[in-house]
Amino acid sequence: QKEVEQDPGPLSVPEGAIVSLNCTYSNSAFQYFMWYRQYSRKGPELLMYTYSSGNKEDGRFTAQVDKSSKYISLFIRDSQPSDSATYLCAMNLRNQFYFGTGTSLTVIP
Amino acid sequence: KAGVTQTPRYLIKTRGQQVTLSCSPISGHRSVSWYQQTPGQGLQFLFEYFSETQRNKGNFPGRFSGRQFSNSRSEMNVSTLELGDSALYLCASSSGTPNSPLHFGNGTRLTVT
Repeated sequence: QKEVEQDPGPLSVPEGAIVSLNCTYSNSAFQYFMWYRQYSRKGPELLMYTYSSGNKEDGRFTAQVDKSSKYISLFIRDSQPSDSATYLCAMNLRNQFYFGTGTSLTVIP
Repeated sequence: KAGVTQTPRYLIKTRGQQVTLSCSPISGHRSVSWYQQTPGQGLQFLFEYFSETQRNKGNFPGRFSGRQFSNSRSEMNVSTLELGDSALYLCASSSGTPNSPLHFGNGTRLTVT
């Protein structure tokens, strides 16, 4: 079983929609969770960095962690064509990082 | 603050050759990690350097090696290139303190023919 599972999509939504991206994980020791956005031909860009359970909001983005279910989510409100990218979840344990395979998102104008 | 800088952006090499990739971390960051990214495998961890010492290593053959200099800049070397080494090689830096997040460069796209 992989440490981190992420649905690769692709996911296609109309502009203005609410997008939900999700990852599950197997190691209950994970406490630090990240979301990265990767545009084509670019490196991953850190979007959100959260610790333990709960929600964290930054503009149109909300990261949610449910440790009891070993499930993390990234919500994008009022999605824009510029949000079209691949989104990767990641977890950090003792300086070792575990990445999901990424979900490809397209926002259609 | 300048981000992580990787050079060159693109490389084309033939099988059997060797290649060296370079990475300059964010100023003040002491940890540099290298990843290989391919469509089928996602991000695969190569190794991490902290204060010029390799602190973690992934499951790649010995043809893949790296080093870090006293100014935290890092290089990665791949010898005896194989077709399967074609990938995007990403460098990421962090402060190196426990649980600090990674900040990635835009990568070097290596094509082996």
